[in-house]
Amino acid sequence: QLQLQESGPGLVKPSETLSLTCTVSDDSVSSSDYWWGWIRQPPGKGLEWIGSVWYSGKTYYSPSLQSRLTILVDTSKSQFSLTLSSVSAADTAVYYCARLRGMTTATPDRAADFWGQGTLVTVSS
Amino acid sequence: DIQMTQSPSSVSASVGDRVIITCRASRDISSWLAWYQQRPGQAPNLLISAASRLQSGVPSRFSGSGSGTGFTLTITSLQPEDFAAYYCQQTMTFPWTFGQGTRVEMK
Repeated sequence: QLQLQESGPGLVKPSETLSLTCTVSDDSVSSSDYWWGWIRQPPGKGLEWIGSVWYSGKTYYSPSLQSRLTILVDTSKSQFSLTLSSVSAADTAVYYCARLRGMTTATPDRAADFWGQGTLVTVSS
Repeated sequence: DIQMTQSPSSVSASVGDRVIITCRASRDISSWLAWYQQRPGQAPNLLISAASRLQSGVPSRFSGSGSGTGFTLTITSLQPEDFAAYYCQQTMTFPWTFGQGTRVEMK
């Protein structure tokens, strides 16, 4: 069973940079079959798409976060990462990483099929 | 971005009830739709992809239907473990936007 694990600081000061890493339990980060995504959920609220990355380094960012966001992949470590700059209290959320399947097929069978457990990041001084 | 709208935002139901959740897309997304269940304190869990394809291990009381702009998730004979939040998500184009969620609560 594939496992994903988020790691990073649980507390970040306003105006500073939030950095998280997702470690994948096998080497599928190196496969062209999958993209890898970040999703967040503010306390008591719904899910928000952040962005995604392919093994080649190709990325897609949510337009609302694009100016502050960087997502990278490190296939040698089976990891991908997120950095979000100039954070504010509005960035306080549980951050999830997930595997995105179906991006290389012609069928509509796309979904985030494996998720990490999530990590709470609080932005506060 | 494609906007996804779910209704209702919450529903009160009893064990054994049938629950129907609807999801509407702001434009035609064919069958590029997934449904997730999220229990409190847990990550979302994929239930259905391609609008109607039940994932392995998901009970058959869950079903999905629809295409284009209108979709439904049906839970027949609600079980205690089904009290949770449910989200639809379009997967046709990035960003893979979510509906705002539907909370299924105990009556």
